[in-house]
Amino acid sequence: KNEVEQSPQNLTAQEGEFITINCSYSVGVSALHWLQQHPGGGIVSLFMLSSGKKKHGRLIATINIQEKHSSLHITASHPRDSAVYICAVIPNRDDKIIFGKGTRLHILP
Amino acid sequence: DSGVTQTPKHLITATGQRVTLRCSPRSGDLSVYWYQQSLDQGLQFLIQYYNGEERAKGNILERFSAQQFPDLHSELNLSSLELGDSALYFCASSVEDYLDTQYFGPGTRLTVL
Repeated sequence: KNEVEQSPQNLTAQEGEFITINCSYSVGVSALHWLQQHPGGGIVSLFMLSSGKKKHGRLIATINIQEKHSSLHITASHPRDSAVYICAVIPNRDDKIIFGKGTRLHILP
Repeated sequence: DSGVTQTPKHLITATGQRVTLRCSPRSGDLSVYWYQQSLDQGLQFLIQYYNGEERAKGNILERFSAQQFPDLHSELNLSSLELGDSALYFCASSVEDYLDTQYFGPGTRLTVL
């Protein structure tokens, strides 16, 4: 079983919809990253969380350390949000980052 | 543009060969990370260097090695290449460590024929 699980694996939505991507993990973590990988392959770091909630523009990320769960929300989704979103955790045991398999998001105009 | 540069962008080589991938971190960043992304495995952490010293080692094969030079650029050496080594190799940098935002380079696409 993967230590970091993301759901859904694939998501297609209409422009303007509210999007939620989930990340569950089975190890104790000191931090969690959300990354965005564009269709061309480039990777951008969206958030680094160790507790609570962060917001940047239309993106919101939350983490619940006790429940070992994080969510990434996109409000008023737009076709340019189409990308793969990757959750990654920093385990307490050894600080070696572990990636989820990603959620492929497609926003239709 | 993240400020992290990687060369070359594409590399095509044959099994058994050796290649070197190069990464220049953002100005001021002391940590460099190497990652491998293949279709079946997704992103995997290979190794981290901090200010010239190896800090953490992930799923890096013995055929692979890396180093960080005094000017903080880093090289990833892949030897005795196999078909399964074909992947995207990303370098990232951060100011200090894994609790900082990481800035990713554009990647090097390695194809082993």
